[in-house]
Amino acid sequence: ETGVTQSPTHLIKTRGQQVTLRCSSQSGHNTVSWYQQALGQGPQFIFQYYREEENGRGNFPPRFSGLQFPNYSSELNVNALELDDSALYLCASSFAGGDTEAFFGQGTRLTVV
Amino acid sequence: AQSVTQLDSQVPVFEEAPVELRCNYSSSVSVYLFWYVQYPNQGLQLLLKYLSGSTLVKGINGFEAEFNKSQTSFHLRKPSVHISDTAEYFCAVSDRPGGFKTIFGAGTRLFVKA
Repeated sequence: ETGVTQSPTHLIKTRGQQVTLRCSSQSGHNTVSWYQQALGQGPQFIFQYYREEENGRGNFPPRFSGLQFPNYSSELNVNALELDDSALYLCASSFAGGDTEAFFGQGTRLTVV
Repeated sequence: AQSVTQLDSQVPVFEEAPVELRCNYSSSVSVYLFWYVQYPNQGLQLLLKYLSGSTLVKGINGFEAEFNKSQTSFHLRKPSVHISDTAEYFCAVSDRPGGFKTIFGAGTRLFVKA
């Protein structure tokens, strides 16, 4: 079991609503990445945060946004939810500059109805 | 741009038999390669990684993988599987070792039968 925790574990939202997902990094890690994993697919990179700033972004629209806090925890915010946003959202923490792996949390299962 | 192709969506195998899960990648820069396992309703766990050095990489739970630069492959192998190895396996590539902007394959479902 990794030291990366995500909350909540499950969430149901209505189309058009906004959602905030949270991630607590493993101790000693300063970088957080977020991934979206649709059912039956591999995870897709959304963005990464380092020193409280976005440090790279995948092919996701601006309604996907994030924050990283001084304690390196992070939030993923999604506005104007669409049905296709239903997925498992994974957070991964790592240490920038090292060759250590990224550790993943157990994910938040978001269902948009 | 980087990409990963996992050649088999499902691999059924009998317990104690050997297994190989195939992965091909494409990249125009230096690559770091990973295999992750995902059990139902859980996150991803790293099995092994190739950063540099020996092309044969050993990981946890008896798995190993071989990096073949000429064939752009990173196939995962285990000589004898157990029922508990039933899970989804993901091959992934990154241009940095720490997991930045990691590109994942679509996954291979390994199903171990008694």
